[in-house]
Amino acid sequence: EAGVVQSPRYKIIEKKQPVAFWCNPISGHNTLYWYRQNLGQGPELLIRYENEEAVDDSQLPKDRFSAERLKGVDSTLKIQPAELGDSAVYLCASSSEGQTHAETQYFGPGTRLLVL
Amino acid sequence: ELKVEQNPLFLSMQEGKNYTIYCNYSTTSDRLYWYRQDPGKSLESLFVLLSNGAVKQEGRLMASLDTKARLSTLHITAAVHDLSATYFCAAGTSGSRLTFGEGTQLTVNP
Repeated sequence: EAGVVQSPRYKIIEKKQPVAFWCNPISGHNTLYWYRQNLGQGPELLIRYENEEAVDDSQLPKDRFSAERLKGVDSTLKIQPAELGDSAVYLCASSSEGQTHAETQYFGPGTRLLVL
Repeated sequence: ELKVEQNPLFLSMQEGKNYTIYCNYSTTSDRLYWYRQDPGKSLESLFVLLSNGAVKQEGRLMASLDTKARLSTLHITAAVHDLSATYFCAAGTSGSRLTFGEGTQLTVNP
């Protein structure tokens, strides 16, 4: 079974430039998450999707961040314009309902963003 | 707001020794997860604990959950170098967000 796929793996941009990240979840997983992980810290949720609906975006800085999950499968996360403080690893995760896995979230490899 | 605290944050231990990592959470949660992260890598799921008194073991790692004390432990038995990584616990309830701890950076020395 293929895991969560993310691209790009690395991105270096100058501040004020836009950037976008892409995620393809595990097949059949209806829930998709975007996290930001700063160096030396645990992941922090940015947005959670149930199918194509954003059910928790309270931590998403909506002035510069946007996300979409068209058709309830792939998702993109965009930052425009990027700021120096946005440098972090952006992780995508997915999960499915059901007792077997108890909504365990499976993480992708992440995109390392460096804003100069 | 749910807060999750881990301790210690840094742990250096010798091979063959035992140690325990603690994870406290501030409000009622019905699930507790442990993840492992190697440097530069993503998070790997280790355990999910769903009920009071739950205990799960995989190799040299054993996780337990005490929902009354709002405490989970990750016990390491006879540590080996391959266990060196950062370990995260995360708590939440069904259908809600997970809150992660800061992580415990474990180094196992020969």
